[in-house]
Amino acid sequence: NAGVTQTPKFRILKIGQSMTLQCAQDMNHNYMYWYRQDPGMGLKLIYYSVGAGITDKGEVPNGYNVSRSTTEDFPLRLELAAPSQTSVYFCASSYSQEGYGYTFGSGTRLTVV
Amino acid sequence: KQEVTQIPAALSVPEGENLVLNCSFTDSAIYNLQWFRQDPGKGLTSLLLIQSSQREQTSGRLNASLDKSSGRSTLYIAASQPGDSATYLCAPGKDPNSGYSTLTFGKGTMLLVSP
Repeated sequence: NAGVTQTPKFRILKIGQSMTLQCAQDMNHNYMYWYRQDPGMGLKLIYYSVGAGITDKGEVPNGYNVSRSTTEDFPLRLELAAPSQTSVYFCASSYSQEGYGYTFGSGTRLTVV
Repeated sequence: KQEVTQIPAALSVPEGENLVLNCSFTDSAIYNLQWFRQDPGKGLTSLLLIQSSQREQTSGRLNASLDKSSGRSTLYIAASQPGDSATYLCAPGKDPNSGYSTLTFGKGTMLLVSP
């Protein structure tokens, strides 16, 4: 099993550009999450999804959008990139709402210049 | 709002030592608590999950304890090895019945085990 796959691994964006971070899981998990991790900080929840077609905001959703058209895919869209969005982005999934089977991708390191 | 504090922020020990990592959280109304490991440049790996009704959970050389009422958890690593070098993060989970069950992460303890 591949688990949770994130692409790209690295990206440099110019201020004002847009991009989509891809996330796919092959474990048939209903619950998927996007977190960001700033240097020396804990992870902050951006958006989450409890199943295909259902998404909701987390702690830090401003500047981001998500969609969940299939169980497997949960892309994160950055519109009008800003330097404050420089971070490492992690996608994760779990098979229960209680958080069992939490599995993380290897992350996307994004720099906005 | 849940706040999670992990002490120490960094720890360096020689191989073979037993060690304890500490985690405290401000809101004791948690559903469970997980400990994760993060290797440099990698994602997180779940090590242990303790239900709020449990006092401890063990996996190999790892033992995690939970005192929900006092808002504390510890991760005990026995006979540490260089391969244990990583950052360890504590993450209490919110009750899913009060909304979504997501995790609040501490900043982590960076552990270095030297040969």
